[in-house]
Amino acid sequence: GAVVSQHPSWVICKSGTSVKIECRSLDFQATTMFWYRQFPKQSLMLMATSNEGSKATYEQGVEKDKFLINHASLTLSTLTVTSAHPEDSSFYICSKKTGSSEAFFGQGTRLTVV
Amino acid sequence: GESVGLHLPTLSVQEGDNSIINCAYSNSASDYFIWYKQESGKGPQFIIDIRSNMDKRQGQRVTVLLNKTVKHLSLQIAATQPGDSAVYFCAENQAGTALIFGKGTTLSVSS
Repeated sequence: GAVVSQHPSWVICKSGTSVKIECRSLDFQATTMFWYRQFPKQSLMLMATSNEGSKATYEQGVEKDKFLINHASLTLSTLTVTSAHPEDSSFYICSKKTGSSEAFFGQGTRLTVV
Repeated sequence: GESVGLHLPTLSVQEGDNSIINCAYSNSASDYFIWYKQESGKGPQFIIDIRSNMDKRQGQRVTVLLNKTVKHLSLQIAATQPGDSAVYFCAENQAGTALIFGKGTTLSVSS
């Protein structure tokens, strides 16, 4: 089946630094990938839609200059949290969809900003 | 949004019991629905899906029911096991769009 690999699985960074999270499609190309954020005991909230070769589409309230998304190849999308602050600490998850609409998720990245 | 009284944030059952987890979805135009299981510190894991042209679908020990009239989705787990303990989310979408997740239900199974 389709496999999505997300890296790193957890990261701790200092306030003010930037962190890059990778989301890789291992079996077939993914023109579109999605990035979600999940705070403790809450549901997944869509942050942005990542489109290969074009700009990402951000959801309302998500700062595009803070959460930089790059989808330069058909198998890799990256999310960079720039100038991270403690309130950015969260669980970040990527996904890709197949033609049948089923979404496959990465393992998630636990970001802690100290 | 959620129907008042329909969604339970937690559900506790005994091993061997049947579990029913409910979800109210918001978009009447949604045509695809999925149930996911999420264990602590992990990404969501696909359980079962259903399209809007169906009202019931069965998998191994799981059944999803869809009532489009009241925009209600349920997940039934037969003979619940301790390994079923997790947070369960329903999700909806239309073709080509991202999934919209409902509020999760934490299922606790005691031996």
